[in-house]
This record gives sequence, C-alpha cells and structure tokens, in this order.
Amino acid sequence: EAGVAQSPRYKIIEKRQSVAFWCNPISGHATLYWYQQILGQGPKLLIQFQNNGVVDDSQLPKDRFSAERLKGVDSTLKIQPAKLEDSAVYLCASSFALGPRNEQFFGPGTRLTVL
Amino acid sequence: TQLLEQSPQFLSIQEGENLTVYCNSSSVFSSLQWYRQEPGEGPVLLVTVVTGGEVKKLKRLTFQFGDARKDSSLHITAAQPGDTGLYLCAGANNYGQNFVFGPGTRLSVLP
Repeated sequence: EAGVAQSPRYKIIEKRQSVAFWCNPISGHATLYWYQQILGQGPKLLIQFQNNGVVDDSQLPKDRFSAERLKGVDSTLKIQPAKLEDSAVYLCASSFALGPRNEQFFGPGTRLTVL
Repeated sequence: TQLLEQSPQFLSIQEGENLTVYCNSSSVFSSLQWYRQEPGEGPVLLVTVVTGGEVKKLKRLTFQFGDARKDSSLHITAAQPGDTGLYLCAGANNYGQNFVFGPGTRLSVLP
C-alpha cells in the first residue's frame, strides 16, 4: 500500500514570495490533515478536511494561508505571501475516517525555508 | 485552546536502561496517541489510548492513560539504540477534531 505522498520535499523562497505544497493521501482515506512543524516543536494542525469539506481550520492563518481539496482526494496548501516565520516542515497526514481513534498516516513532509 | 506538555524535553541514556516520559494537560481528551518521529520523516503512530486508566503494552513499551484522561506516560524497558527518536503525544476531542500535539521528548539511546 502506497503511503502519503508529498511534493516538493524541499523549497527555498524569499519572503513575500508565494509557494504551494501538494499532498496525495492514502487511497480511500477520507480525512486529510495539514500540519506545520517548526524546528524543535511538535506538529501544529493547520487544517483538517473530511472528504472535500473543512472540519477544522481554526489555526490556519487565513490572511496568507489557503488550502483546498476539491475532489476529496489530493490537496494543496498555499502560502501567499510568505514570511520568515513560515520556515518549517509542512506535514500532510491522512486517516481512514474522522474520529479520535483513527490512526493518522504521515507523509515525509516539505521543508520550507524562507529567506 | 487545549495544550499538551511533555517532559523531559531531552533524554540521553545508555542502552539497557529504563525510562519514562510524560504527557500532561489541564484538559480532558477523548483519546491520547503516542507517535515516534525520526529525522526527515513524518511521525509514526505507536498506540492510541481512549479509556481512563488504560494500560497498553507494545513489546518493551508500556503506555498508560491517566484516570482523568488528562495525562499519559510512556515507559520503555531496556532501551535500545533503535528507540532513538522524537516521542510525541497527541490528543483529540470526541469527534476526532482539534488534534493537539505536545512539543515532544527527544530520546537518545547510546550503545
């Protein structure tokens, strides 16, 4: 079974530029998550989708971050414009269904450096 | 906003030693999950606990969920270099929403 795929693996941009990350979850997984992990910290949930609907985006900085999952499968996360403090690893995860017992399967992440 | 604290932040031990790491909150969670993360990779689930007082064992790892479902512990017996990594706890509400991760305990097991 293929895991969660993310691209690119690394991205370096200058502040005020835009960047987009792509995630393809495990086939059949209805729930998709985007996390931001700053060096030395635990992952912070940015947005959670159930199929193509948003379940939780309370910690997404909506003035600069956006995410979509139009067909309920793959997803993109965009930052526009980027700030220095956005430097982090962006992790995508998926789970079979919504619920506190469901295992989240994580992708390898995209490491973003904003100069 | 629910918060999870983990202690210790860093732990360096010799192979064969035992250790316990802790995950604490002032909030009640419907479930607590423990993940291990290695450099350059995403976290991998170790266990999910959902019942207050629950104890789960996974080979040399023992997980406990506090009676009030506000805290959890992970005990490793006879640690091995392969146990090295970042141990993260994560809590969720009853609907599987509002996932909150702790800052992690970075464990280093020296041969």
